[in-house]
Amino acid sequence: QKEVEQNSGPLSVPEGAIASLNCTYSDRGSQSFFWYRQYSGKSPELIMSIYSNGDKEDGRFTAQLNKASQYVSLLIRDSQPSDSATYLCAVTSNTGKLIFGQGTTLQVKP
Amino acid sequence: DTEVTQTPKHLVMGMTNKKSLKCEQHMGHRAMYWYKQKAKKPPELMFVYSYEKLSINESVPSRFSPECPNSSLLNLHLHALQPEDSALYLCASSPPTGFYEQYFGPGTRLTVT
Repeated sequence: QKEVEQNSGPLSVPEGAIASLNCTYSDRGSQSFFWYRQYSGKSPELIMSIYSNGDKEDGRFTAQLNKASQYVSLLIRDSQPSDSATYLCAVTSNTGKLIFGQGTTLQVKP
Repeated sequence: DTEVTQTPKHLVMGMTNKKSLKCEQHMGHRAMYWYKQKAKKPPELMFVYSYEKLSINESVPSRFSPECPNSSLLNLHLHALQPEDSALYLCASSPPTGFYEQYFGPGTRLTVT
């Protein structure tokens, strides 16, 4: 079982819609959860971090964490073509290392 | 300011060359990382420095040699690389290691010929 799992996509949504990206993880001891956005040929950019159960909102982005279900999600409201990128879910392991999922490619169509 | 800088942006080197990648952060972070990323794959951890000491080496071949001259600088020395080492090399930093956010630099695109 992979430690952090994401659907590779592509996830295609129309402009203005809500994009929902999901991630599951296997280590129940994980305490920190991150979403990175990576444009093609660029480096990962941290867009959200979440540490406790519930929702965390930042602008058009909402991260949701459910530790009981070992599930993290990222919602992007009013999706724009500029949101088209690969979104990496990352979770800290009990050794403190950052474990990445394979990434979900999001395509926002005008 | 959450900026990590890396030089050079691009590097082409032959298999017999010696070159170095450089990384710098001025955020007062005490942990710095080297990652390697191949196309369509997530970043893969190579080394971790914590308070200027090497704390993690993910069984990286000795042709990659990291160095941390001070808390703001991180180098990766390259020697006798193979074509399969061609990748995007990413530097990152975080306050200390552990459960903190890591911030990535722009990366160095390395091509080994």
